[in-house]
Amino acid sequence: DAEITQSPRHKITETGRQVTLACHQTWNHNNMFWYRQDLGHGLRLIHYSYGVQDTNKGEVSDGYSVSRSNTEDLPLTLESAASSQTSVYFCASSESAGAGELFFGEGSRLTVL
Amino acid sequence: DAKTTQPPSMDCAEGRAANLPCNHSTISGNEYVYWYRQIHSQGPQYIIHGLKNNETNEMASLIITEDRKSSTLILPHATLRDTAVYYCIVRDLMEYGNKLVFGAGTILRVKS
Repeated sequence: DAEITQSPRHKITETGRQVTLACHQTWNHNNMFWYRQDLGHGLRLIHYSYGVQDTNKGEVSDGYSVSRSNTEDLPLTLESAASSQTSVYFCASSESAGAGELFFGEGSRLTVL
Repeated sequence: DAKTTQPPSMDCAEGRAANLPCNHSTISGNEYVYWYRQIHSQGPQYIIHGLKNNETNEMASLIITEDRKSSTLILPHATLRDTAVYYCIVRDLMEYGNKLVFGAGTILRVKS
C-alpha cells in the first residue's frame, strides 16, 4: 500500500548542529508539507512544495529549509538547531488539486539540547 | 490564522453520539469545511469535508447550517478509540495546493 514515512522517529541533538528530517511518500503526490506541533500552538506550517523544484515558506519557516529534487521526498533541514526547535514534526502530502485530503506521517520527535 | 472557533474540550459517554460544533462565521462561497482528528502521538487523520450539503461517510456525518456559518461533526456511536483532538478547518478550493491551517481544535474525551 502507498504510504508516507518519516525518519528518524526520534532524535536528540545539540544546539548548533545541522539536522535533517526525511519524508518519503509513495502516492506520487505533487504536494508535500512540513508542520511542527508544540503544546499550546497546535500544528503550524513550516514549508511546503507543489512539485519538483518548487518550495514555499509557511508561517514558521525561519531556521528551516527544504528541497524538492524528486516527487517522493521532501527533506526538512535545520541548518543550526536551536532549543526553540524542539518539537514534533509532521510531514504530509496530497494530490495536486481539488478536495483531496492530506495524508500525514507518524511524526518525528526532535529534542535539541 | 485559523478561521474557525471550536470549544477547547468536550466529554462524551461511550456508545452515545458525539456532536462537535464549529463556528466559521467569515466563511466565503469557495471555502469548504474539513474535519481532521489527531489521536495522541499520531499524525492527523482526515475525517470528512463538505461545502453546503450535509455529508456522511463511514466515520462521521457533517451537518452545515444553511447560512454556512457553523457546522457540527457527528460521531454516531462514540468509542474509547475516538478520544482525540478534532480540528475543524476552512479551506478555499480555489487556492492551489490543499494547504491547511490548523487551529487549536477540540479535545474529545470518550468515557466508559
